[in-house]
Amino acid sequence: GENVEQHPSTLSVQEGDSAVIKCTYSDSASNYFPWYKQELGKRPQLIIDIRSNVGEKKDQRIAVTLNKTAKHFSLHITETQPEDSAVYFCAARSSIGQKVTFGTGTKLQVIP
Amino acid sequence: DTEVTQTPKHLVMGMTNKKSLKCEQHMGHRAMYWYKQKAKKPPELMFVYSYEKLSINESVPSRFSPECPNSSLLNLHLHALQPEDSALYLCASSQRWGESSTYEQYFGPGTRLTVT
Repeated sequence: GENVEQHPSTLSVQEGDSAVIKCTYSDSASNYFPWYKQELGKRPQLIIDIRSNVGEKKDQRIAVTLNKTAKHFSLHITETQPEDSAVYFCAARSSIGQKVTFGTGTKLQVIP
Repeated sequence: DTEVTQTPKHLVMGMTNKKSLKCEQHMGHRAMYWYKQKAKKPPELMFVYSYEKLSINESVPSRFSPECPNSSLLNLHLHALQPEDSALYLCASSQRWGESSTYEQYFGPGTRLTVT
């Protein structure tokens, strides 16, 4: 089955700096890669996603890149703000098994 | 309405109790999911329903029994749980299951379950 690794597990940045979270996946049949933000005690919320036919996608301060050959994808947050502090999960969905497998999560802390 | 709702928000139950978790969505989604999330861990898939039929059971113990009475509702019946079953139970929905253009999952707020 799919295995998704996520790094780092914790990340602290100063407000205004950029944050990068990286994930790798094992199943070459995976074709959809969502990113979720989960604040303490809240539900996971989809913040951006990318499909395998696209290499990069941007939404305001958030961008995701995908390298299918290397089987890795990354989340980039620019101009970080304290409200960006949360746990971020990457995930991969296989076109064969069709399940979404989550990474282990990154706790992002933005220091004012 | 773009929201998935879950009740109750919190549940404390003994190991001999029977209880049910409820999930509802009115977005016309035909795929619904149950996930279990332990503290500081990612959500783990338990069940997938597609068009009110069970499509995936991730080898979940029989003390968890899902039910999808109609396209808007998803229940999880609990019986004889163990303390290690204490977790946040998340419901999610998506437009379809297994169709390439309809992957996005929307999560409910979860039910915080404590088994004593």
